[in-house]
Amino acid sequence: KAGVTQTPRYLIKTRGQQVTLSCSPISGHRSVSWYQQTPGQGLQFLFEYFSETQRNKGNFPGRFSGRQFSNSRSEMNVSTLELGDSALYLCASSNTDPEKLFFGSGTQLSVL
Amino acid sequence: AQSVTQPDIHITVSEGASLELRCNYSYGATPYLFWYVQSPGQGLQLLLKYFSGDTLVQGIKGFEAEFKRSQSSFNLRKPSVHWSDAAEYFCAVQSYNTDKLIFGTGTRLQVFP
Repeated sequence: KAGVTQTPRYLIKTRGQQVTLSCSPISGHRSVSWYQQTPGQGLQFLFEYFSETQRNKGNFPGRFSGRQFSNSRSEMNVSTLELGDSALYLCASSNTDPEKLFFGSGTQLSVL
Repeated sequence: AQSVTQPDIHITVSEGASLELRCNYSYGATPYLFWYVQSPGQGLQLLLKYFSGDTLVQGIKGFEAEFKRSQSSFNLRKPSVHWSDAAEYFCAVQSYNTDKLIFGTGTRLQVFP
């Protein structure tokens, strides 16, 4: 069974640009969560999608958005990038239980 | 507010030595607690979890953790560390508002031969 796949692995953008990250969950998993990981803040929850609907949202500005498609694949978009958005963005999928969370390897975003 | 504190940012041990990584939580009721490990360039892997029952929890890779309600702690232990254990370790609590995981800031473990 393939794991959680995140693309691209690395991204370099400049301030003001926008970026889209992709996450393909484990087959059969309907929940996809996104986390931002930075050295100082650790992992911060961004949002969760379940059956194409946003079910939970963390404390991030509206520049951060996401969506989920009918095949459970999810995308995360960040508009008007800021230097502070540089981070590792992790996607995790699960079936129904949050304790059965499987993480992808992440997308490392660098904003210059 | 629910939170998790990992007081040690960085720990260095010799291979074969014992290990204890500290985790303290703030939570209003019986918490669901987790330990994850992240190897360089990888996502997070679940080591073990505590929901209820026996306060000593066994996990993968020879790790165990003990839930101590009186100390609001859930420390991770391993009797003999291997070089391959070098990684970053995260403690987490499940939020009772959203069911999502609230992570600590992590402890980076370095292992010397």
